[in-house]
This record gives sequence, structure tokens and C-alpha cells, in this order.
Amino acid sequence: QKEVEQDPGPLSVPEGAIVSLNCTYSNSAFQYFMWYRQYSRKGPELLMYTYSSGNKEDGRFTAQVDKSSKYISLFIRDSQPSDSATYLCAIHGGSQGNLIFGKGTKLSVKP
Amino acid sequence: DAGITQSPRHKVTETGTPVTLRCHQTENHRYMYWYRQDPGHGLRLIHYSYGVKDTDKGEVSDGYSVSRSKTEDFLLTLESATSSQTSVYFCAISGIKEEKLFFGSGTQLSVL
Repeated sequence: QKEVEQDPGPLSVPEGAIVSLNCTYSNSAFQYFMWYRQYSRKGPELLMYTYSSGNKEDGRFTAQVDKSSKYISLFIRDSQPSDSATYLCAIHGGSQGNLIFGKGTKLSVKP
Repeated sequence: DAGITQSPRHKVTETGTPVTLRCHQTENHRYMYWYRQDPGHGLRLIHYSYGVKDTDKGEVSDGYSVSRSKTEDFLLTLESATSSQTSVYFCAISGIKEEKLFFGSGTQLSVL
């Protein structure tokens, strides 16, 4: 079993839709959970960071962590065409060099 | 891109030739990383550095070496490039916490 699983999509939604992106992980020792956004031909940029179970909100974005189920989610409200990108989940085990990325979900928001 | 410059941005080379990619940062961050990104594999760590002359291997380090002689520069060398090393290479930096990475714009490397 892969340590981090992420559905690659692609996912296509109309503008204004609520988007749900998800990852599962296998190692309960993982402590920190992140979402990165990557536009085409660009490097990933950190979008959300959390280290506990529950929700963290930043504008239209909400990151949710359920450690009991080993499941993390990113919700995007009122999605915009500018949200079209690949979204990568990333999970850190607490020691240096132990950051694992999901393969990314490609999202397209249609006007 | 948070004061990170990767060079070159694109490179085409032949199998068996040495290749060096450069990452330069102006943020004075302690930690620097080299990742490769491939379809179906996502981002994978090649090597990282936790200080000048201090480096360690990542998940896919075979065929790669690194050097860091100054805080601001981290070099990735392919001693003898192979076609399997065709990829997009990203440099990343972080301050105290590894999980908050800042990435460069990437280098597209093609090995023919």
C-alpha cells in the first residue's frame, strides 16, 4: 500500500461549484498535513498547513484532517477559473527528509 | 518564487554526459531540497541539505550527487545522464520547518 493515495482526476467543475479534494494515508505517525497548488509549468506553492485533526479555513479554502480515518480533504468554495491547477497533498512524518507527496489531482474550473 | 532561482530552465543533453543543475536562494534558509516530478510518480525527494556541506539522500538518490559550499547555492549533478533521468527538477527551500517548502520554477531536463 502506498503511503499517500490521491485520486489523480482530472476533475472538471463549473464555476461557483464546491470542490472536494481528498487523500488517504497509511502511517498513523504522520503529524503534519499540507496542500500545495501547482499551476502548469510552475513550482508548487503552499496553500494550507495543519498539524491537528479538525478544520482550518483560509478564505474560500478549508483543510480538513481526520486522523482516526487517516483521511485529509481540501474544500474550495465558490470555485473560480483561476483555481484551475493541480493540487498536491503532502504529509510529514516529523523527521527531516520525511515529507511525502500525493501524486496530485488536476482540477479544471469551467467559466 | 520566494527568492529561488533555478538554472537552466530547460536543458537537452545526451546519454552519458554529465549535467549540473543549480539552485540559488536569497532567503538565507537553512534547508534546501532537490525533487523530481514525473507523471504517475508525483514529487520525489532526491537529496536535501541541512547546512553548508551537510547533505543527505532522499528516496531516489541513485545516479545523483549534490554539493552545497555556500548557504545560497545547492547543486545537483547527474554524473552520467540516462534517459530515465528525463524529468522536471524542482529545488525547494525551507526555514525551520521542512513542511513549509518554497519551490523554484523548475528545470525541464531531457536526456536523449
